Amino acid sequence: SQQGEEDPQALSIQEGENATMNCSYKTSINNLQWYRQNSGRGLVHLILIRSNEREKHSGRLRVTLDTSKKSSSLLITASRAADTASYFCATDPTDSWGKLQFGAGTQVVVTP
Amino acid sequence: DTAVSQTPKYLVTQMGNDKSIKCEQNLGHDTMYWYKQDSKKFLKIMFSYNNKELIINETVPNRFSPKSPDKAHLNLHINSLELGDSAVYFCASTDWGVKGEQYFGPGTRLTVT
Repeated sequence: SQQGEEDPQALSIQEGENATMNCSYKTSINNLQWYRQNSGRGLVHLILIRSNEREKHSGRLRVTLDTSKKSSSLLITASRAADTASYFCATDPTDSWGKLQFGAGTQVVVTP
Repeated sequence: DTAVSQTPKYLVTQMGNDKSIKCEQNLGHDTMYWYKQDSKKFLKIMFSYNNKELIINETVPNRFSPKSPDKAHLNLHINSLELGDSAVYFCASTDWGVKGEQYFGPGTRLTVT
């Protein structure tokens, strides 16, 4: 069954603005991962945050994880048109490692 | 230097036919996966192999049969194709020991008419 739920489903912003999307999940996890999918392409791994971590940065990306609320957020700062894509969170459950559970994704459109 | 490759990229076929999709990774990973992404972009795991052994087998019709001839290859054979099989199928790989990210192939868009 679907584990992660992203919010919002769609997001439209202008270049230079920040984009924030959230992910909620249901069970205990080893880690939570964020992926990007450009139209018609495969998924590209962005960042992984382990269950004992609360925040992680990678370039313009910032991910937070709150295991007590079973939620995570992905922030993209100073967005660019090239950031236009769908963003998925995926949880790695403790009771079935490696069996990533994906949400339905947030579709982000960045206009110049 | 493609890390995870799939063939074919597009596959159009009629109901009832049998087809195969191939996947190869050159990352030295020991675990490979098949995912199905439906029209609403929902991605669901189907199978996983670790060192050529099946370790994940989700509730998938037995018309779908994966085969891993070696650690670098994972193929998916589908018998008696149905309209509902139309989707994008992604292969992925990972290093089991690292317990980290998965690397995805470009996908195979299957259209059953």
